[in-house]
Amino acid sequence: DVVMTQSPLSLPVTLGQPASISCRSSQSLLHSDGNTYLYWFQQRPGQSPRRLIYQVSKRDSGVPDRFSGSGSGTDFTLKIIRVEAEDVGIYYCMQGTHWPRTFGQGTKVEIK
Amino acid sequence: QVQLVESGGGVVQPGRSLRLSCAVSGFIFSNYAMCWVRQAPGKGLEWVALISKDGSNEYYVDSVKGRFSISRDNSDNTLHLQMNTLGAEDTAVYYCARDWGLDLWGRGTLVTVSS
Repeated sequence: DVVMTQSPLSLPVTLGQPASISCRSSQSLLHSDGNTYLYWFQQRPGQSPRRLIYQVSKRDSGVPDRFSGSGSGTDFTLKIIRVEAEDVGIYYCMQGTHWPRTFGQGTKVEIK
Repeated sequence: QVQLVESGGGVVQPGRSLRLSCAVSGFIFSNYAMCWVRQAPGKGLEWVALISKDGSNEYYVDSVKGRFSISRDNSDNTLHLQMNTLGAEDTAVYYCARDWGLDLWGRGTLVTVSS
């Protein structure tokens, strides 16, 4: 199975400051169809996960533009340019190129 | 309004079976593949299974192969997960999610395997 490794696992951030989460895969996520199926999800406390980003860098509808995704191959990043209080939660990357689909361990974002 | 509502969770003894359902509304169910994802208490997300939009293809994580079966009823807009030979390691909140990319999620249903 493809192993997804996130870092850091805990990320204390000051309100208004940027945050960055890394996600590395044990195999390339470039699919034979030319797309890279790397997703980012946010899980706020007590809530279901919500997708933020698909295909590395495409923001889902309603996702604030302070969130951005980047990367290629095996190395990916989720950035929040200015953290707001509502961004507290756990962020997961997931690969959708190989079977079975696999998630990263999660990165807990909290306010300092 | 787009909704995915899971049901069927509960407390079950080890070795027994349980069937989860996910009722869908607000979109054309038969146009989308559907997934199950679970989350053990205090743990991360684990992808469990996916079924194609017409039900012709199914995919599973190794830990549930041979024990769990995903199915769907496109006439009833319902997704199911039949779980057999349950063990303590299957204790989790089970979410249904839409499409290959899990773009929409339900609120989940808790399955507790305990004697």
